[in-house]
Amino acid sequence: QSALTQPASMSGSPGQSITISCTGTSSDIGGYNYASWYQQHPGKAPKLMIYHVRNRPSGVPDRFSASKSDNTASLTISGLQTEDEADYYCSSYTSSGTWVFGGGTKLTVL
Amino acid sequence: EVQLVESGGGLVQPGGSLRLSCAASGFTLSTYWMNWVRQAPGKGLEWVANIKQDGSEKYYVDSVKGRFTISRDNAKNSLYLQMNSLRAEDSAVYYCVRGFYFDYWGQGTLVTVSS
Repeated sequence: QSALTQPASMSGSPGQSITISCTGTSSDIGGYNYASWYQQHPGKAPKLMIYHVRNRPSGVPDRFSASKSDNTASLTISGLQTEDEADYYCSSYTSSGTWVFGGGTKLTVL
Repeated sequence: EVQLVESGGGLVQPGGSLRLSCAASGFTLSTYWMNWVRQAPGKGLEWVANIKQDGSEKYYVDSVKGRFTISRDNAKNSLYLQMNSLRAEDSAVYYCVRGFYFDYWGQGTLVTVSS
């Protein structure tokens, strides 16, 4: 049950696009289409942004998109806005019937 | 409106026990898997446990197996986490989270394990 691997931090300017990666193994990300992404602002509960690899819940802007290739899931935020500054976490179902999160990526919008 | 409200957190000594509760409203609890996810101060998210709709399947992260027990009472719209033999490393905010997609999260309850 090792955590998925995410970059610890990333930054971008308003209007730019950034892509956050989330690397696992064939026993989690690579083996299932259950990768999800969450946004967490300081002091707040996480919010689901993407589920089932690339699906956006109602209310999530279409600036947020995601994909998966082999054992790596990716979250792309286009047209960065200041309110996108937050921590982002990925998660995946695993072959053990459990779930695993990534270590989180702190996104700074300069 | 979906609401998840956790309670039962607090300060406990190492080796002690706590029982967390989560009151669910705005949806039919019996139709969803439910989860507990924790976050240590300043750290990332860690999935702790989940339970199937009828309670027939339960899964745990290795670090809590044998010490924590997840349960539910669909008639009372409630989810529980019984935590025994608590350790300092169990200190965290514990979130109650709905479903296989983790689509709704409570605001969390803080557990502090310290002497």
